[in-house]
Amino acid sequence: DTGVSQDPRHKITKRGQNVTFRCDPISEHNRLYWYRQTLGQGPEFLTYFQNEAQLEKSRLLSDRFSAERPKGSFSTLEIQRTEQGDSAMYLCASSLGTGGAGNNQPQHFGDGTRLSIL
Amino acid sequence: AQKVTQAQTEISVVEKEDVTLDCVYETRDTTYYLFWYKQPPSGELVFLIRRNSFDEQNEISGRYSWNFQKSTSSFNFTITASQVVDSAVYFCALINNAGNMLTFGGGTRLMVKP
Repeated sequence: DTGVSQDPRHKITKRGQNVTFRCDPISEHNRLYWYRQTLGQGPEFLTYFQNEAQLEKSRLLSDRFSAERPKGSFSTLEIQRTEQGDSAMYLCASSLGTGGAGNNQPQHFGDGTRLSIL
Repeated sequence: AQKVTQAQTEISVVEKEDVTLDCVYETRDTTYYLFWYKQPPSGELVFLIRRNSFDEQNEISGRYSWNFQKSTSSFNFTITASQVVDSAVYFCALINNAGNMLTFGGGTRLMVKP
C-alpha cells in the first residue's frame, strides 16, 4: 500500500495524558498536512510542512499541540495534557508541492487517528 | 477569508435515482481550486476531483459529473443512477493559490437505499 499511513487508528486516553500520533506520507510527496475533524463537521486545518519546515500553523493549534517532521519524511503530532475537547479524528494528508507559488496538487488523506479522551 | 457552504446536511435517495450535492463558496482570490472528497464509513477522505477557477467546463467521469459556475460561486456534484456504494459523506473544499490549506464545507451525508 503506497497511500498515506497513520498510526494508531484509535487512541483512548485519560484526560491530562500526553498522546503522540504518527503519519507516513506518500513517499514522493514533499508536503504534509494535519487536520482535525470533529463529529458531523468537515476537517479543519491545523498545520503543514514543506519538507522538514513547518510553514503554517492554525490558531486551532494551541501551545499544547506540537508537530514535527524531522527528516522531511514521517511526521508526529503530539498533544500534551489532553482535554475533553481534544476528542476528534486527526487526519494527515500529503501532496506534491510545485516549485512556484501555490500548490494545486490534490491532498491525499490517510485513514486518520480517532482520539477519545475519557 | 474563505468559506464553503454545503446547505444539505443529509440526503436520502433510492438506488438508481440521480442526486445533486450543492456547494457554494466564498473567496477573495481570483485564482483558486475547488475539490470534492468522499468519506465512506471507514473514515478515509477519498479525492474525487479538482477544478481551477479558470476552467468552467463541466466534467463527467462515469456516473459522476460536476457543474462549476463562477457567476454563482457554485460547484455542484451530481451522481447519476446512484448505487448503495455511493453512501458516504461528501465534502466540497477550496484552496487558494498559495495552496497551504483546504477549507472544507460541513459535508453532505448521502444515503442510498436499495
